Amino acid sequence: TQLLEQSPQFLSIQEGENLTVYCNSSSVFSSLQWYRQEPGEGPVLLVTVVTGGEVKKLKRLTFQFGDARKDSSLHITAAQTGDTGLYLCAGAPANQAGTALIFGKGTTLSVSS
Amino acid sequence: DVKVTQSSRYLVKRTGEKVFLECVQDMDHENMFWYRQDPGLGLRLIYFSYDVKMKEKGDIPEGYSVSREKKERFSLILESASTNQTSMYLCASSLVPVNTEAFFGQGTRLTVV
Repeated sequence: TQLLEQSPQFLSIQEGENLTVYCNSSSVFSSLQWYRQEPGEGPVLLVTVVTGGEVKKLKRLTFQFGDARKDSSLHITAAQTGDTGLYLCAGAPANQAGTALIFGKGTTLSVSS
Repeated sequence: DVKVTQSSRYLVKRTGEKVFLECVQDMDHENMFWYRQDPGLGLRLIYFSYDVKMKEKGDIPEGYSVSREKKERFSLILESASTNQTSMYLCASSLVPVNTEAFFGQGTRLTVV
């Protein structure tokens, strides 16, 4: 069974702080996606990374895909209260057509003012 | 605007009842998925379908069945609801291949009493 391990599970920080969330696996993925979910809603895609070593930036969010395509990170600079939510990574297994995305268990981020 | 719609936001059912959760997407997506989301366990795949009348078991199919008679509709059926099926149920759809964005519905919070 392929697993995506996310860490930390919970993160509670003050507004203005920086943070990094990690998503690790022993398996190779053809792509990794990051979603954000607010309470009572479904997850919404933030970004997809496809190429090993790829770095994508979305305003204050920076996403990186590991060189070996087994891990990814999400870095938030100067967190704001609006960043509060559940962050999920999801991977598309390499060389496995017809399978579904594999999701990590998520990181619950709480940003207080 | 793309949309995945789940028939109910909240549902309360009794133990032993047969429960139907409906999901409709308007994006002409081939893939559709049912997940359940529980604290500390993340999103777990119940069933998915990559074409009309096609279905594949996910990680936790026991106690569930699905139906996909039309491309836009994917139904999850709890044959005989039990209290351990109390959960948040999320439907999603995506284009092929699997590494494209998954669009989620708003979720159905099911309570079995």
